Amino acid sequence: GESVGLHLPTLSVQEGDNSIINCAYSNSASDYFIWYKQESGKGPQFIIDIRSNMDKRQGQRVTVLLNKTVKHLSLQIAATQPGDSAVYFCAERGTDKLIFGTGTRLQVFP
Amino acid sequence: DVKVTQSSRYLVKRTGEKVFLECVQDMDHENMFWYRQDPGLGLRLIYFSYDVKMKEKGDIPEGYSVSREKKERFSLILESASTNQTSMYLCASTDRGHWYEQYFGPGTRLTVT
Repeated sequence: GESVGLHLPTLSVQEGDNSIINCAYSNSASDYFIWYKQESGKGPQFIIDIRSNMDKRQGQRVTVLLNKTVKHLSLQIAATQPGDSAVYFCAERGTDKLIFGTGTRLQVFP
Repeated sequence: DVKVTQSSRYLVKRTGEKVFLECVQDMDHENMFWYRQDPGLGLRLIYFSYDVKMKEKGDIPEGYSVSREKKERFSLILESASTNQTSMYLCASTDRGHWYEQYFGPGTRLTVT
């Protein structure tokens, strides 16, 4: 997962720009990854997933890229909107549980 | 749509009290999970259950217990609440074949004073 710290990393982007949120994972044998979005006061919501046999997967306005060489995931959000403001975190599939990153706060300003 | 509900959104308890957090899902999911979420630490698994009356410890079970008497309900119990258990508690559920596709409830923010 991401590095542990007391404060969430924050990414501030202007409405309409593209956002890129990064995540480093720990286990080179992990075969499945998920991105979650958590809005203020709500539980995490599934955004998109990717298996380790893929490098890229696209959804609606979102793209996940997987670089297994450096154990790195990124989530790209196209044309970022105010409703995209949230905490985003990745998760990797462990043996019988998900291992979550600490998250990045995305702030969208007009 | 899957719906996972938690009994309280906000809860304030005193040190030493016994605390019950309830979670109910309406999709007949076999698997249910309890996490706590703290700033900078992400989600940490407390307990999970793959079936009725079955429970497994997660990464941080100390100070907690769980109960699953019915398939749709998974309870988290703090036997004697302490201030370091102040946190956001999240419940999740999944079906048996896709345990990693977790659907989360809205969370309970517990403050122990």
